[in-house]
Amino acid sequence: DAKTTQPPSMDCAEGRAANLPCNHSTISGNEYVYWYRQIHSQGPQYIIHGLKNNETNEMASLIITEDRKSSTLILPHATLRDTAVYYCIVASGSARQLTFGSGTQLTVLP
Amino acid sequence: GAVVSQHPSRVICKSGTSVKIECRSLDFQATTMFWYRQFPKQSLMLMATSNEGSKATYEQGVEKDKFLINHASLTLSTLTVTSAHPEDSSFYICSARKTSGRSEQFFGPGTRLTVL
Repeated sequence: DAKTTQPPSMDCAEGRAANLPCNHSTISGNEYVYWYRQIHSQGPQYIIHGLKNNETNEMASLIITEDRKSSTLILPHATLRDTAVYYCIVASGSARQLTFGSGTQLTVLP
Repeated sequence: GAVVSQHPSRVICKSGTSVKIECRSLDFQATTMFWYRQFPKQSLMLMATSNEGSKATYEQGVEKDKFLINHASLTLSTLTVTSAHPEDSSFYICSARKTSGRSEQFFGPGTRLTVL
């Protein structure tokens, strides 16, 4: 599976959009970009995933660059409850396991 | 849908005892479940892949005789930490992947194990 690079931490003001970047320059053609988040002392929560098109669901939007070497997770209106570690993971659709990196600690400030 | 539960959520035990942790997929069937371990201020580390009806696949460095995994049905996997020691104290998290359809994994809430 391709390796990902994320900033270790980010702050965001409550009510503003949170844009979390992820670099995955070695991504292969059959690999998806998955985003999970982990609130302190809880299990990871699935957010969104995509292959090459931008995706949106009730939680977030995923923007993938045309060359697929990077992506951005967008939380449109961050709340205090969005404070968590966000993990960007690249894996094939048939991958039997996910490899977690160190993620980005997002802190939403009041 | 796609809810995964774990029981217990927290357990404290004495050194040398065994502890069993259950992982259930509540509203879907999961041929494959995964067990992770997370130490404080660290990321999740995959311990083993649990396959329904067959033996689990362990990651390098994980003792299969210490961490017993049983996946007896499409909705239940158990992890037994045998002869637990203080260094086994950790946050144990399971995940499940649907038998068909979507490829993402769904995680349980985790079990905090403290070995005294």
